[in-house]
Amino acid sequence: EVQLLESGGDLVQPGGSLRLSCAASGFTFDKCAMRWVRQAPGEGLEWVSAISAGGGTTHYADSVKGRFTISRDNSKNTLYLQMSSLRAEDTAIYYCAKRDSSGYMDVWGKGTTVTVSS
Amino acid sequence: EIVLTQSPATLSLSPGERATLSCRASQSVSSSLDWYQQKPGQAPRLLIYDASNRATGIPARFSGSGSGTDFTLTISSLEPEDFAVFYCQQRSNWPLTFGGGTKVEIK
Repeated sequence: EVQLLESGGDLVQPGGSLRLSCAASGFTFDKCAMRWVRQAPGEGLEWVSAISAGGGTTHYADSVKGRFTISRDNSKNTLYLQMSSLRAEDTAIYYCAKRDSSGYMDVWGKGTTVTVSS
Repeated sequence: EIVLTQSPATLSLSPGERATLSCRASQSVSSSLDWYQQKPGQAPRLLIYDASNRATGIPARFSGSGSGTDFTLTISSLEPEDFAVFYCQQRSNWPLTFGGGTKVEIK
C-alpha cells in the first residue's frame, strides 16, 4: 500500500525552528518528486515547497522562501521540511504529497500539526 | 502568480441533485488543472487530473471539463458522502496555486 506518514509537528515559539519528516512506503520513492502543502486553521490549502526526485531542484512559496528548506534522503525514503524563523502565520497542518509522473499530487499523508505561539 | 477563483464559495444542495463548481484562472493553465476533495479532519483526495480525467477509484458521477482559464467540476447526482470542500489547483506555472475552495453542504 502506498503510504506517507508525516511527523515532527509541535508547539513552537515565534522565531523558533522545527523539522518535519515524511516517511514514504509502498512506492519507488527515489523516482518521485514530492511536495509540502499546508492548511491554516479554518482556511484553504496552500502549496509550500517542492523537490525533484533526485533532490537537485527545489521550489518554494514566497511566504516561506529563505526560512524553510525542503530536502530528502532517498536511502531512508524520507522527505523533510526544515522550518526556521517561524511566525504565527505558519501555524497549520502540514501535508506531504507524492507527485505523479504527470504532475498531479496523487497520494497525501494525514498531516502533522505545527502551532507557532508564545 | 496564477490566481484561481472558485465559485460559488458555498453550494447548498440535497442528495440526488446536480452540483456544478467553477474554477477560473487569471491566465491560461492549459489543461494542467486538478480537483481535490477534502472532508473534515481528512487529507485532500485527488478527484480529477488534467482537467477531465478521473483519478483511480473515483466514481463516474464526478466529471471535469474545461481548458485554458475556465474549468468546471460536476457531480451528476450527489451522494451523502460527497458533501465536502472541493479545491482546484494549477500546476502549469510556479508557484503552484490552489483556489479558495467550494463547500458543498447539505441543504
